[in-house]
Amino acid sequence: QSVLTQPPSASGTPGQRVTISCSGSSSNIGSNTVNWYQQLPGTAPKLLIYSNNQRPSGVPDRFSGSKSGTSASLAISGLQSEDEADYYCAAWDDSLNGLYVFGTGTKVTVL
Amino acid sequence: QVQLQESGPGLVKPSETLSLTCTVSGGSVSSGSYYWSWIRQPPGKGLEWIGYIYYSGSTNYNPSLKSRVTISVDTSKNQFSLKLSSVTAADTAVYYCARAKAVTMPHDYWGQGTLVTVSS
Repeated sequence: QSVLTQPPSASGTPGQRVTISCSGSSSNIGSNTVNWYQQLPGTAPKLLIYSNNQRPSGVPDRFSGSKSGTSASLAISGLQSEDEADYYCAAWDDSLNGLYVFGTGTKVTVL
Repeated sequence: QVQLQESGPGLVKPSETLSLTCTVSGGSVSSGSYYWSWIRQPPGKGLEWIGYIYYSGSTNYNPSLKSRVTISVDTSKNQFSLKLSSVTAADTAVYYCARAKAVTMPHDYWGQGTLVTVSS
């Protein structure tokens, strides 16, 4: 049911920069802000980025978010082994009575 | 520090009703402009938002589940609950409760999740 499309996988070596895309539409990313979550294996998701580009307290500045039109991106610079996880974008969708939609998820592997 | 903890049966029979409770500590479900959500994740798959109850008591559900979902709050116990009726194997998932601090739904606190299996 995901209406936000992400690449299934991304990878990089330690220290590299990895970017994850999130493609939506005018009813979600095009008209609302984007949040990003990190899910480490076997754990609950963690809020990584909110309001397109804001980091909650405690999130390293290696993580950054951006939005343009109906797409958004998450960048991880200085990739570290502990960044190996699943990443999900999410946004409110104004269709019907409104619903919160998640992206399809991207598995980041540190080579 | 806000903490959320899901509880409820780990096994539900097909066609029955799944019932889960989320107990909130370190904060109140009835104060502040917070949204209290249920989110699920089938094994090996992505996240799906089920719905929320606002601190005022208003609710909003995912249209794909709306006919089967009820989210309610018990302020005396500082809990909110999920009921999902007429379950099938497709409802097997890890169910998370979470708090969002704005209408744009940034969920900043999550429970650890509880696996619910639908099977006879």
